[in-house]
Amino acid sequence: DAMVIQNPRYQVTQFGKPVTLSCSQTLNHNVMYWYQQKSSQAPKLLFHYYDKDFNNEADTPDNFQSRRPNTSFCFLDIRSPGLGDAAMYLCATSTRTGSSYNEQFFGPGTRLTVL
Amino acid sequence: RKEVEQDPGPFNVPEGATVAFNCTYSNSASQSFFWYRQDCRKEPKLLMSVYSSGNEDGRFTAQLNRASQYISLLIRDSKLSDSATYLCVVSVNYGGATNKLIFGTGTLLAVQP
Repeated sequence: DAMVIQNPRYQVTQFGKPVTLSCSQTLNHNVMYWYQQKSSQAPKLLFHYYDKDFNNEADTPDNFQSRRPNTSFCFLDIRSPGLGDAAMYLCATSTRTGSSYNEQFFGPGTRLTVL
Repeated sequence: RKEVEQDPGPFNVPEGATVAFNCTYSNSASQSFFWYRQDCRKEPKLLMSVYSSGNEDGRFTAQLNRASQYISLLIRDSKLSDSATYLCVVSVNYGGATNKLIFGTGTLLAVQP
């Protein structure tokens, strides 16, 4: 089945220790997104790629970086995780028609714990 | 003011009840509208898109009122399995080629046996 896969599902890191979260998709969608979701809050968009074009949200901290080496994979790098970065990180994909981004398909998420 | 506002609930309803959720959005340039469902500690999943003419999928009916910038979701004959958080989602064009989804914080539904 076509799907969005995230690894690992659970990640524990230490304060300040860099961590990389992985997302892959078999949907062949040209748009990939990273969201941060904290408890009882809406998913917050960090950035997205339209093909290789990177689009950063204005309020995304510099501590968060992303790489998309090919259509199928996208990585979220957190350079120096703080306690406030503990959250669920959701990867999503969609197609784009003209200027409209179509419905998004989410991966199962990676729950990050920072000790 | 939040771009997408929802009553957080919780809505506690008995099995078989009809329940309605409302959502308002602030940006009149919003173009597309969706309801997503999110189970506890799981990812959001698309429940249905919302069209101006209204649309129905089984027990679920979605309505859009562009003039009032208001979206609704009606669930008839509630099942225990409907218990989840329902996210109102709006697609907004901020100019140029940028068009992104804005999520509400969700409405929690708990269907009781």
